[in-house]
Amino acid sequence: QQPVQSPQAVILREGEDAVINCSSSKALYSVHWYRQKHGEAPVFLMILLKGGEQKGHEKISASFNEKKQQSSLYLTASQLSYSGTYFCGGATNKLIFGTGTLLAVQP
Amino acid sequence: DGGITQSPKYLFRKEGQNVTLSCEQNLNHDAMYWYRQDPGQGLRLIYYSQIVNDFQKGDIAEGYSVSREKKESFPLTVTSAQKNPTAFYLCASSIVKESEQFFGPGTRLTVL
Repeated sequence: QQPVQSPQAVILREGEDAVINCSSSKALYSVHWYRQKHGEAPVFLMILLKGGEQKGHEKISASFNEKKQQSSLYLTASQLSYSGTYFCGGATNKLIFGTGTLLAVQP
Repeated sequence: DGGITQSPKYLFRKEGQNVTLSCEQNLNHDAMYWYRQDPGQGLRLIYYSQIVNDFQKGDIAEGYSVSREKKESFPLTVTSAQKNPTAFYLCASSIVKESEQFFGPGTRLTVL
């Protein structure tokens, strides 16, 4: 029921790229992506609607393959500020958050 | 300055006591949500409301209750029926149910 994210955790050096995947067993209307820093509230990154669209936000972009019910978040040239836990949210009649991916960017 | 406020930031209660967590928003959003987050885990939906005087159960509603008497306010009561209430509670709101959610700073509840 809950979207499954992979990997569970990833460690990067500054400047490296990463991909976070989100897979749902249910048909989704849209996919949300959020980032949460330790002890803080999640912050919205982007929404992807049905239609296989891609979106970008500075060096962070995402795609949504509605046929496979999968979404991927792409982080390029990572910065220290990208560290945190990334959650996808799959929207059906309500938004259900994924299991989370912990991303740590080291100098 | 618009946003969502939750109070208090830290809350301690004795086992068996009911406790109410406050959530207020001045964003004029129709939809509001309560989530529970346990260490190292994701966000689990407790209740949500799309409009005043209406709310629906989320995935883990047992032991919790809510009210939505005003558009701006969506308080959550953690009752003594909740078996393991110690957690980080997050309130969120959105313009409509499908749109991006804005989160409050959270309340960390510890039941002793």
